[in-house]
Amino acid sequence: QIVVTQEPSLTVSPGGTVTLTCASNTGAVTSSFYPNWFQQKPGQPPRALIYSTSNRHSWTPARFSGSLLGGKAALTVSGVQAEDEAEYYCLLYYGGAQVFGGGTRLTVL
Amino acid sequence: EVQLVESGGGLVQSGGSLRLSCAASGFIFSSYSMNWVRQAPGKGLEWVSYISSTGSTIYYADSVRGRFSISRDNAKKSLSLQMNSLRAEDTAVYYCARDTNFDFWGQGTLVTVSS
Repeated sequence: QIVVTQEPSLTVSPGGTVTLTCASNTGAVTSSFYPNWFQQKPGQPPRALIYSTSNRHSWTPARFSGSLLGGKAALTVSGVQAEDEAEYYCLLYYGGAQVFGGGTRLTVL
Repeated sequence: EVQLVESGGGLVQSGGSLRLSCAASGFIFSSYSMNWVRQAPGKGLEWVSYISSTGSTIYYADSVRGRFSISRDNAKKSLSLQMNSLRAEDTAVYYCARDTNFDFWGQGTLVTVSS
């Protein structure tokens, strides 16, 4: 069974920088997993942020960036704003099947 | 403006069936693959199924394979999910999402399976 693991929760101060990670129990995450990142706020559908590791959608603020870090996919938020408080999900591609991570609850305090 | 509107959710008994629909507008539907994703109450996202732009390639999550069936009608710009043999654990909000990048999502439709 494929399991994608994210930090359950992270806390960051306004203006700070935080990195969320996404790991696969099958081994190192590479660009071939086409990592996607999504933001979800309560009562709303998910919003796409990053696709194929590091590509921003046209609406994604520049403070969000995606990368590969130490065998994991990573989402870095620089200059965090209060509005960034949300749940963040990664999604990895496994040759047909796709698996979401369990989500990271990001708190801005 | 890209819009995806799900419908067909509701309350169904365990073992029953339901058919969800997703109406697309604002883009060339026949050019994009589509997905269904679900979210149980208070839980995370779970990818359910994928269909290519022509319908020739289909994938399912292990949890629904053999019970759910995805299809599309490009002429009607519509995506469907036929759900059979429903279980309590299928209770969730079901979203349709566009493309392999999941760039646009609908607002979702709630499916509740009572045991």
